[in-house]
Amino acid sequence: AQRVTQPEKLLSVFKGAPVELKCNYSYSGSPELFWYVQYSRQRLQLLLRHISRESIKGFTADLNKGETSFHLKKPFAQEEDSAMYYCALRNTGNQFYFGTGTSLTVIP
Amino acid sequence: DVKVTQSSRYLVKRTGEKVFLECVQDMDHENMFWYRQDPGLGLRLIYFSYDVKMKEKGDIPEGYSVSREKKERFSLILESASTNQTSMYLCASSSLTSSSYNEQFFGPGTRLTVL
Repeated sequence: AQRVTQPEKLLSVFKGAPVELKCNYSYSGSPELFWYVQYSRQRLQLLLRHISRESIKGFTADLNKGETSFHLKKPFAQEEDSAMYYCALRNTGNQFYFGTGTSLTVIP
Repeated sequence: DVKVTQSSRYLVKRTGEKVFLECVQDMDHENMFWYRQDPGLGLRLIYFSYDVKMKEKGDIPEGYSVSREKKERFSLILESASTNQTSMYLCASSSLTSSSYNEQFFGPGTRLTVL
């Protein structure tokens, strides 16, 4: 069975500090992992996907198959990063499984 | 630019009423999804559809049904609304191809309150 775990419901960091949002998954196949973000009063939108190996808004995430993790990182947090972040896994049947989300607050 | 629209941003209904939530996408996507979003529980899949007139149950289908008569439209139906169905409902769509670049595109959400 597929499962995505985000252990932190709330995370607060100071502006300029590094931030890491944790995501672990369980899936028997080869996973496709995503990070979605929801800013206040906005719709849920894709932040980044592991297959692209890209950096978006300074965020990166590396798929670690050995640890079954896909943690989201940013070296210097900004106030505009405050949002709800969801880790998601897509299976071969095109279904998405979302974690419970982490609410990030960046303190000025 | 993909657009997923939902018929209402806010909806207030009474217990026992039949409720329709409509979702329309304009990118010719095959897959459409209905989730509910609750604090601390994240997004939970209610139903999804991979083609017209096709539907599959998600993780929490009880109390809900869906309809997909046209490719662009996916409706969520609460046959008899109950207070525990008060929630934010999100619609999403994605392409059917197996490309790894096919993300889900979300609508703005409908906040349903059942009194």
